Amino acid sequence: AQSVTQLGSHVSVSEGALVLLRCNYSSSVPPYLFWYVQYPNQGLQLLLKYTTGATLVKGINGFEAEFKKSETSFHLTKPSAHMSDAAEYFCAVRGGSNDYKLSFGAGTTVTVRA
Amino acid sequence: IAGITQAPTSQILAAGRRMTLRCTQDMRHNAMYWYRQDLGLGLRLIHYSNTAGTTGKGEVPDGYSVSRANTDDFPLTLASAVPSQTSVYFCASSEGIATEAFFGQGTRLTVV
Repeated sequence: AQSVTQLGSHVSVSEGALVLLRCNYSSSVPPYLFWYVQYPNQGLQLLLKYTTGATLVKGINGFEAEFKKSETSFHLTKPSAHMSDAAEYFCAVRGGSNDYKLSFGAGTTVTVRA
Repeated sequence: IAGITQAPTSQILAAGRRMTLRCTQDMRHNAMYWYRQDLGLGLRLIHYSNTAGTTGKGEVPDGYSVSRANTDDFPLTLASAVPSQTSVYFCASSEGIATEAFFGQGTRLTVV
């Protein structure tokens, strides 16, 4: 079985401040991990993904995430928040077996204060 | 532009009625998914398909059925709609086990 827990349903940051969104996963096999962003009234867009190799992955719009197997975590960060980062962010996991099942967390809404 | 097409965009449905949400992809992806999105609950997987001819249950399959007769189409059917099925439904597809899922724009369904 696989699952995702996102800690904090809402995060508020000042423009220019660090953005940190937490994601912990459970998986019985080595996972594939993803972060998506959803802007209001839109579908989901991929920010970044971890499959194999380097554990620090960089994505679009200045975001990056680090896969830590020992902590079963895949936290998302951005050094300096921009007003355009206000959106909902979802972490997702797929167990690395022959099953394509993809499970999402409950999401974290980010607001950016001027 | 290649991608995923969902229809209808929105629908108001009387309780007890049957409804099929359509999803078509033109990327020849192996896997397809149906999710529902509800405030505070994120995206919950309803059903998915690893490849044409196979389907699997997700977290919240009750009241929904799917079929995957070919690679491109993955319709979701509500046999007898209930108000708790009011939600935004997203279809997605994925090429491989290590690749990301691409999402449609969603179907907003209201059951009254």
